[in-house]
Amino acid sequence: QKEVEQDPGPLSVPEGAIVSLNCTYSNSAFQYFMWYRQYSRKGPELLMYTYSSGNKEDGRFTAQVDKSSKYISLFIRDSQPSDSATYLCAMILYNQGGKLIFGQGTELSVKP
Amino acid sequence: NAGVTQTPKFQVLKTGQSMTLQCAQDMNHEYMSWYRQDPGMGLRLIHYSVGAGITDQGEVPNGYNVSRSTTEDFPLRLLSAAPSQTSVYFCATSLSGLNEQFFGPGTRLTVL
Repeated sequence: QKEVEQDPGPLSVPEGAIVSLNCTYSNSAFQYFMWYRQYSRKGPELLMYTYSSGNKEDGRFTAQVDKSSKYISLFIRDSQPSDSATYLCAMILYNQGGKLIFGQGTELSVKP
Repeated sequence: NAGVTQTPKFQVLKTGQSMTLQCAQDMNHEYMSWYRQDPGMGLRLIHYSVGAGITDQGEVPNGYNVSRSTTEDFPLRLLSAAPSQTSVYFCATSLSGLNEQFFGPGTRLTVL
């Protein structure tokens, strides 16, 4: 079993829909949580970074962390065709700074 | 300011050949890392370095060597290429292991 599990999709939604992307993890020592976005044939880029349970909002994006359930989510409101990409969750163990462990990535397609 | 650069962009090798993937950064970041990305697997950490002269293994280090003689460069060496090493390779850097990691554009490697 992988340390970080993410539904690979693909996920297809109409423009304007609310998108929910999820990851679960097994090691309670994970303390830092990130979401990366990766466009086709490009390197990943950081979208959201949080280290505490609860919600963090940035424009149309909300990252949610539930450490008690070992579950993180990314919500995208009013999705746009430009949001079509692969979304990867990633996390770091508190005592192993630098060892970023990724989920498998979810491929999202937003149709006009 | 080029950020993170990787060379070559594409490479085809025959089984048993050796090669070095280059990664350079001009961001004065201490932390550098190498990942490989395979379909359905997300990104997996190969090796990382917390500063010049210091390297450590990630999740999938077998078949790869690294060294870090300067802050700017972190080459990845394949000593005897195998078809299982066919993948897209990404280099990433960050100020420290707990900060945002900036990814290069990737190297697409095929081993025949």
